[in-house]
Amino acid sequence: QVQLVESGGGLVKPGGSLRLSCAASGFTFSDYYMSWIRQAPGKGLEWVSYISSSSSYTNYADSVKGRFTISRDNAKNSLYLQMNSLRAEDTAVYYCARAGTTGDYGFLDYWGQGTLVTVSS
Amino acid sequence: QLVLTQSPSASASLGASVKLTCTLSSGHISYAIAWHQQQPEKGPRYLMKLNSDGSHNKGDGIPDRFSGSSSGAERYLTISSLQSEDEADYYCQTWGTGIPWVFGGGTKLTVL
Repeated sequence: QVQLVESGGGLVKPGGSLRLSCAASGFTFSDYYMSWIRQAPGKGLEWVSYISSSSSYTNYADSVKGRFTISRDNAKNSLYLQMNSLRAEDTAVYYCARAGTTGDYGFLDYWGQGTLVTVSS
Repeated sequence: QLVLTQSPSASASLGASVKLTCTLSSGHISYAIAWHQQQPEKGPRYLMKLNSDGSHNKGDGIPDRFSGSSSGAERYLTISSLQSEDEADYYCQTWGTGIPWVFGGGTKLTVL
């Protein structure tokens, strides 16, 4: 069965960096777009970024553009989110999700359990 | 700008039906959306992809009680025979090529 397991969250000071990982299994990872989504405490879901199956295309929410970088390693079935210049407002649970295949992508049909990132001094 | 609008809250009685609405912004009424459920203290769960013509593809294990429909800019999620475990937040989500993907603000469903 499809499994997505995030890791790498934790407490970081404002201005610091963190790298999140998402280990995928149960499907052909290299066929799928992948995405990161976050949820601040008590708030709704916010889309963060997506990456195409071959890493050719990426896109970011305006709130993270220039600070966050999404990447993937298809040989390792892994998705990453490098987060730099972190701010208090980046505090959230970060989810990775599978986002469809080339030609039929965008809908998030499997989600991980999330990893908490706290930005505080 | 691509925007999804949802009512913040809805309620219905145990065993009844409820219809949740997600409205696409002007100029985007042909877009497909996805519906997601988030039960308290849990991660989101994909319910279905809903096209502009009302056709939909449900996720693995989603009961027949959940269905989708469309009319113009409106995308609907209908839950019939409401159960206590249906009490959750429901989010719609949409996407486009080369543009930021979007979530609606979510609807908190209370089962009375």
